[in-house]
Amino acid sequence: DAGVIQSPRHEVTEMGQEVTLRCKPISGHDYLFWYRQTMMRGLELLIYFNNNVPIDDSGMPEDRFSAKMPNASFSTLKIQPSEPRDSAVYFCASSPKGQGGGYTFGSGTRLTVV
Amino acid sequence: AQRVTQPEKLLSVFKGAPVELKCNYSYSGSPELFWYVQYSRQRLQLLLRHISRESIKGFTADLNKGETSFHLKKPFAQEEDSAMYYCALLDRGSTLGRLYFGRGTQLTVWP
Repeated sequence: DAGVIQSPRHEVTEMGQEVTLRCKPISGHDYLFWYRQTMMRGLELLIYFNNNVPIDDSGMPEDRFSAKMPNASFSTLKIQPSEPRDSAVYFCASSPKGQGGGYTFGSGTRLTVV
Repeated sequence: AQRVTQPEKLLSVFKGAPVELKCNYSYSGSPELFWYVQYSRQRLQLLLRHISRESIKGFTADLNKGETSFHLKKPFAQEEDSAMYYCALLDRGSTLGRLYFGRGTQLTVWP
């Protein structure tokens, strides 16, 4: 298995533009998590899914952020419109049922909003 | 509420010296704790979990319920140990196994 795959690895965009981050979890994993990593705040959980259903989105900063998981092998995190303060590394992670805490992380997307 | 505290944002030691990365937690139930490591510009990786009682890359961590701590230790640090280390707590109250991460400690091992 290639692990959790995220794309793009790097994204530079102008303020106000829409940004879409993508994640392919490990096949068979029931849970998918989106995290944001910044120097100031460390790792923040944005949202997580169980069997494609969003369970807790309380970490989503504001309405500009949205996430979907249309099927078991794909998820997106969208920011519209983007702002400079959204600049961060966004990680996706997945976990199988019964492996609480044993997450497999993707390589992350480094987002820069100018 | 679940809380994970890593009091040191930065920690520097010389090669061969012992290293201890501190982690304290607050949890109302029986905790399950983990250490994750992130090498420079790489993905986070699970380093160890307390229930396994394992030693990975020379690191160990003991759960101390009395002190609510789960410190990560290595007797002789190596330069390749330089990385960001995150302590994490599994919320068993959540049926879906959500992890709460500390803010992380950046370890630098000098030659």
